[in-house]
Amino acid sequence: AQKITQTQPGMFVQEKEAVTLDCTYDTSDPSYGLFWYKQPSSGEMIFLIYQGSYDQQNATEGRYSLNFQKARKSANLVISASQLGDSAMYFCSGGNTGKLIFGQGTTLQVKP
Amino acid sequence: DVKVTQSSRYLVKRTGEKVFLECVQDMDHENMFWYRQDPGLGLRLIYFSYDVKMKEKGDIPEGYSVSREKKERFSLILESASTNQTSMYLCASSLIGAEGLDTEAFFGQGTRLTVV
Repeated sequence: AQKITQTQPGMFVQEKEAVTLDCTYDTSDPSYGLFWYKQPSSGEMIFLIYQGSYDQQNATEGRYSLNFQKARKSANLVISASQLGDSAMYFCSGGNTGKLIFGQGTTLQVKP
Repeated sequence: DVKVTQSSRYLVKRTGEKVFLECVQDMDHENMFWYRQDPGLGLRLIYFSYDVKMKEKGDIPEGYSVSREKKERFSLILESASTNQTSMYLCASSLIGAEGLDTEAFFGQGTRLTVV
């Protein structure tokens, strides 16, 4: 991907509710991968979920799902049943053949 | 477990110094990356490498160079450190997976560099 855009600098969600974090990408490559990572306050980068451009179905991993709309070039992350431990920075990223780029990130705060 | 290790957690250098940031991965990954992370700007790609001795510029290569003499090691060099290079630097590595697409990246713990 040549550009990844996350337009939500900060988001709030009530505990146990679902939340959607937005991501759009811009690429001229016919094949690419899209990723979401979580970065808690400790600073480590944790891989959450992956979607390949040829995948027909949206990826899911536990409470995480990726709403992939190829025509709109969006790859939104949906977190269901939010938990306090989900409070973190979330990054969308994409790439092909080595060049992996990231968006600006979204800070998610889960309220009890 | 994949391990990506960066040589320093915190570093303080003076303006004009040559600075080396080292990164080692132990899982035979083809791809290696250097990013800097700044508040509000996310992770910005400085350089990446998909093979030994190969290097490609990322989005912000100015003021940096890299070296990859061995598959497991990727070094970032600040030729003459400046205060605007004060940042968190993250190294990562990944495999080239099926259909030539990259798999998920594994990150080091980061190096907080302060240039004074």
